[in-house]
Amino acid sequence: EVVMTQSPATLSVSPGERATLSCRASQSVSSNLAWYQQKPGQAPRLLIYGASTRATGIPARFSGSGSGTEFTLTISSLQSEDFAVYYCQQYNNWLYTFGQGTKLEIK
Amino acid sequence: QVQLVESGGGLVQPGGSLRLSCAASGFTFSDYYMSWIRQAPGKGLEWVSYISSGAGFIYYADSVKGRFTISRDNAKNSLFLQMNNLRAEDTAVYYCARGGSTGDWWGQGTLVTVSS
Repeated sequence: EVVMTQSPATLSVSPGERATLSCRASQSVSSNLAWYQQKPGQAPRLLIYGASTRATGIPARFSGSGSGTEFTLTISSLQSEDFAVYYCQQYNNWLYTFGQGTKLEIK
Repeated sequence: QVQLVESGGGLVQPGGSLRLSCAASGFTFSDYYMSWIRQAPGKGLEWVSYISSGAGFIYYADSVKGRFTISRDNAKNSLFLQMNNLRAEDTAVYYCARGGSTGDWWGQGTLVTVSS
């Protein structure tokens, strides 16, 4: 099983600032990496797939990078609606696995 | 507009069974792989199972293998998860998602509580 580790667990950032979230895989997952956003009481929403491709309707302020074992989600200028929990997920091999999440909170 | 609506959750005793359903609309259901993903209360996400568009490929997490069965009815645009021999650790919100590797659309989820 590929273990996905996200850091930090909680990130405090002011609106308008940049947020950088990290995700590390225990073995290479190539570019088979997705990012999701989840708000309280809601289902997750796909943001990024293929490590760097934005899903349909996702604003350009969200960007993903990385390959192999190290990945980053960057939100260039935080809006109020961006404060949520973010999960990375690998789909290189079954069993697909998620990171434990990073909570992005308002500073 | 893509819609996925889960149903069938509820309270069940350990060892009991439940059948979850997911009604799909707004897209050609038979063209897509589909998945079940769960989230225990206050916890992270776990990919439970997925099924290919024609049901020829099916995968399960080890935690549910032998107890859960995923299936689909393409004529009725529906996805199912038969859950047998339920355990306390199966307590979670179960989401239906479109896709077999990433979930690009998710339902609102249905809560399954396993407790005596």
